[in-house]
Amino acid sequence: NAGVTQTPKFQVLKTGQSMTLQCAQDMNHNSMYWYRQDPGMGLRLIYYSASEGTTDKGEVPNGYNVSRLNKREFSLRLESAAPSQTSVYFCASSVLPGQGILNTGELFFGEGSRLTVL
Amino acid sequence: AQSVTQPDIHITVSEGASLELRCNYSYGATPYLFWYVQSPGQGLQLLLKYFSGDTLVQGIKGFEAEFKRSQSSFNLRKPSVHWSDAAEYFCAVGANYGGSQGNLIFGKGTKLSVKP
Repeated sequence: NAGVTQTPKFQVLKTGQSMTLQCAQDMNHNSMYWYRQDPGMGLRLIYYSASEGTTDKGEVPNGYNVSRLNKREFSLRLESAAPSQTSVYFCASSVLPGQGILNTGELFFGEGSRLTVL
Repeated sequence: AQSVTQPDIHITVSEGASLELRCNYSYGATPYLFWYVQSPGQGLQLLLKYFSGDTLVQGIKGFEAEFKRSQSSFNLRKPSVHWSDAAEYFCAVGANYGGSQGNLIFGKGTKLSVKP
């Protein structure tokens, strides 16, 4: 059972370059999320997709775009990378409460993508 | 707005000692509460969750947490810490479950170090 898979695991970019982080889940979850994790800041929501075909901004969306390609896949794009986007990025998925027995909204996380912008 | 506070940034305990990690939340309705653990270089793993019923919940790896509505707290406990418990621990509250948004709001984390 793969769960949530993120690629790449590591990436180094120069300021102004673009890149896309890929995320796929095989748990048939409706909702998917992108978080960033910075020291002392915990996890902050960048964008989320409550269901296929919808995306919404989270707490820190500036400088990012997302695409919910299908139910399985949710990508995060940096159009023009900045040093402030150096972070560890986590993709997660969930089934919303009420959408099934014992579904209590917990998130299932990928292993993270460490991005450094020089 | 929902929020989560973990007052302790870093805690060090001796192996075999008991552990309590504090978590306070702000939420208007009955919250969904979670504790996650993150080992270095890894993703987050769910330890336990509370959504209704018994206020003392058991999780994996011998952890438990108690929901106290009057104190808006959801503290994590373990009676005897093992060296392998050294990690960072995150408390989280479910946000806006009445609508379409289902993300979690996380505290800033408590790093646990274990002395031999």
